[in-house]
Amino acid sequence: GAVVSQHPSRVICKSGTSVKIECRSLDFQATTMFWYRQFPKQSLMLMATSNEGSKATYEQGVEKDKFLINHASLTLSTLTVTSAHPEDSSFYICSASGRVNEQYFGPGTRLTVT
Amino acid sequence: AQSVSQHNHHVILSEAASLELGCNYSYGGTVNLFWYVQYPGQHLQLLLKYFSGDPLVKGIKGFEAEFIKSKFSFNLRKPSVQWSDTAEYFCAVTLNQAGTALIFGKGTTLSVSS
Repeated sequence: GAVVSQHPSRVICKSGTSVKIECRSLDFQATTMFWYRQFPKQSLMLMATSNEGSKATYEQGVEKDKFLINHASLTLSTLTVTSAHPEDSSFYICSASGRVNEQYFGPGTRLTVT
Repeated sequence: AQSVSQHNHHVILSEAASLELGCNYSYGGTVNLFWYVQYPGQHLQLLLKYFSGDPLVKGIKGFEAEFIKSKFSFNLRKPSVQWSDTAEYFCAVTLNQAGTALIFGKGTTLSVSS
């Protein structure tokens, strides 16, 4: 099956710094990538949808200037959490979709902001 | 607005008991339906999916789900659960259209005692 990787798997950063999370589709071309956020014991909430080569579409309530998404190639999307604060601590999960409408999830990135 | 409802927040069963987790959706148009499982400390794994055809779908690990269009439901079942089935289960829906995101239910925690 299709494989999606995320890097890093865990990151701890200080408040006010920025963190970049990478999402890669390893064996297929992902025309669309999605970024989700999952708080402890809660469901996944869609943050944004990104199509290769175009600007991401953010869900209501998600600050696009804080969560910068870049989808520069068909195998890589990045999420940068800018000026991170403790309330941004969460589990960030990406998924990738190719020509068929099926999504493959990455293993997630645990962000802790101190 | 599109939504997914999972009726059971926390289900507790003994080994060998039968399982049924409810999922209803509110979504205009043709949908694709999924059940994902998240074991403690691990990432999402696809249990099964429905795109079209036979509404009774069989997935991995002995799980199955039935799509009942008239009831907007996609309930997950397993005849005999095991301790290793202890996990969080998420129902998700997307439009049958490439590039559309998954909408997740809030999840059901299943605890199986041996």
